[in-house]
Amino acid sequence: EAGVTQSPRYAVLQEGQAVSFWCDPISGHDTLYWYQQPRDQGPQLLVYFRDEAVIDNSQLPSDRFSAVRPKGTNSTLKIQSAKQGDTATYLCASSPGLGPNYAEQFFGPGTRLTVL
Amino acid sequence: QEKVQQSPESLIVPEGAMSSLNCTFSNSASQSIWWYQQHPGKGPEALISIFSNGNKKEGRLTVYLNRASLHVSLHIRDSQPSDSAVYLCALLSGSFNKLTFGAGTRLAVCP
Repeated sequence: EAGVTQSPRYAVLQEGQAVSFWCDPISGHDTLYWYQQPRDQGPQLLVYFRDEAVIDNSQLPSDRFSAVRPKGTNSTLKIQSAKQGDTATYLCASSPGLGPNYAEQFFGPGTRLTVL
Repeated sequence: QEKVQQSPESLIVPEGAMSSLNCTFSNSASQSIWWYQQHPGKGPEALISIFSNGNKKEGRLTVYLNRASLHVSLHIRDSQPSDSAVYLCALLSGSFNKLTFGAGTRLAVCP
């Protein structure tokens, strides 16, 4: 079974540029999470979906960040007008459902973003 | 909002030794506590979880949870160089399985 896939693996931008990250979760997983992981810190939850619906996006840093999952499968996280403080690894995770029996999250390899 | 603190920040042990990692958390009502392993350039991978007070053993891993003191520890017996990684402690809470991570402990096992 294929794991969570993400692309691109690396991105380098100048401040003010836009960037999109793409995530393909494990087939059949209806819950999808996006995390931001700054260097030498733990992942911090940004937004999560159940199917195509946003459950909670209150942790998205600002209105420069947006995330969609239009068909309840793949998802895109976009940063408009990137800033140096956005430099981090962006991780996508999925799980097969909700509740304690489906608590394990399966992570992709991440996209490492550097904003110059 | 849940908070998770891990100690030590880094740990170096010789091959074959016991590695002991600690985690304190702010919310005793969390559903469960998870330990994830993260190798460089990879995403975190779940190792073991615990819900009830006491201990849980899986292979070379043992986890101890004390909800009253808001403390959980992970012990790796017979540590191997391949165990060298960052270990992340995470609280699971809410009906949508929200994870709150600590900053991690960087473990290096020297041959």
